[in-house]
Amino acid sequence: DVKVTQSSRYLVKRTGEKVFLECVQDMDHENMFWYRQDPGLGLRLIYFSYDVKMKEKGDIPEGYSVSREKKERFSLILESASTNQTSMYLCASSYSGTGAYTGELFFGEGSRLTVL
Amino acid sequence: GENVEQHPSTLSVQEGDSAVIKCTYSDSASNYFPWYKQELGKGPQLIIDIRSNVGEKKDQRIAVTLNKTAKHFSLHITETQPEDSAVYFCAAPYSGYSTLTFGKGTMLLVSP
Repeated sequence: DVKVTQSSRYLVKRTGEKVFLECVQDMDHENMFWYRQDPGLGLRLIYFSYDVKMKEKGDIPEGYSVSREKKERFSLILESASTNQTSMYLCASSYSGTGAYTGELFFGEGSRLTVL
Repeated sequence: GENVEQHPSTLSVQEGDSAVIKCTYSDSASNYFPWYKQELGKGPQLIIDIRSNVGEKKDQRIAVTLNKTAKHFSLHITETQPEDSAVYFCAAPYSGYSTLTFGKGTMLLVSP
């Protein structure tokens, strides 16, 4: 089974702190994603990556950055956490396929971040 | 980019009834439409998907229908059971990339 592991299920941080959310997948997937989930707003794409050291902005990249130094690991960074970044963060991975293939996304269980 | 609208936001049914969730999309070039189910405390999981070369696909009690002309697709769950209670998301390809734009979700509650 594909496993996507998010290192922290629950985090509490203070405004202005730097926050790292880590995600590791074990299926050698090329693609990795970070989504944010808020009630009434669904899943919104923050950043994604097609390969090591590559990244693309999603719909809501402001206030976030990402790092992908190894194929299996994709990190989301909040340089200076703010209260409006309190949310559930979901990491996902997928097989790249060829051309315009859109494959199944495998999600982790989420990291619930509270910024005080 | 792609815009996906999902309705209703909440749906309550009695066990054994059918449930229907509807989504519309904006990009006529989209060709792949999955549905994900998210149980409490877990990440979303793919339950069924359909590609644009077919109009309907079934898997036991769930089915998805697609109307490309009208740019909408629907999830149908028959003989609902309490374990079907969850949040359901529809999705469509994200502007030509190998990722997805999701609808805002439907919370389905099946009462015994």
